[in-house]
Amino acid sequence: EAGVAQSPRYKIIEKRQSVAFWCNPISGHATLYWYQQILGQGPKLLIQFQNNGVVDDSQLPKDRFSAERLKGVDSTLKIQPAKLEDSAVYLCASSFSSGAHNEQFFGPGTRLTVL
Amino acid sequence: DQQVKQNSPSLSVQEGRISILNCDYTNSMFDYFLWYKKYPAEGPTFLISISSIKDKNEDGRFTVFLNKSAKHLSLHIVPSQPGDSAVYFCAARTVAGNEKLTFGTGTRLTIIP
Repeated sequence: EAGVAQSPRYKIIEKRQSVAFWCNPISGHATLYWYQQILGQGPKLLIQFQNNGVVDDSQLPKDRFSAERLKGVDSTLKIQPAKLEDSAVYLCASSFSSGAHNEQFFGPGTRLTVL
Repeated sequence: DQQVKQNSPSLSVQEGRISILNCDYTNSMFDYFLWYKKYPAEGPTFLISISSIKDKNEDGRFTVFLNKSAKHLSLHIVPSQPGDSAVYFCAARTVAGNEKLTFGTGTRLTIIP
């Protein structure tokens, strides 16, 4: 079974530029998550989708971050404009459903460096 | 507000000995706890979990203990093997949390051959 795919794996941009990350979840997984992991910290949930609807985006900085999951499969996360403090690893995860205790499977992440 | 805390950033253990990783939490609404393991350049992978109705869960070399009154859980690995060297994250969920995980800051475990 293929795992969660993410691209690109690494991205370096200058502040005020825009950037987009892509995630392809495990086939059949209805729930998709984007996490931000800053160096030395644990992953922090940015947004959670159930199919193509948003379940939780309470910690998404909506003035600069946006995410979509068209057709309830792939997802993209965009940052526009980027700030220095956005330097982090962006992790995508998926789970079969949002029922009790469904295991989340993580992708390898995209490491973003903002100069 | 750090609701899940891992106060030891790093831990070194001799191969074959027991590794004990600790985690404390402050939110009494957490009802399910998980440990994830992360190798460099990879995403976290699920290791073991425990529900708040239990105080122990075992899976092979890995055992998680939960002390609800102390709001403390620990992961025991015995015997420790070189492949266990990784960063370990403790995570927790609330009853009505929509599967939202709150992670600790992680503990880097190094197994010394």
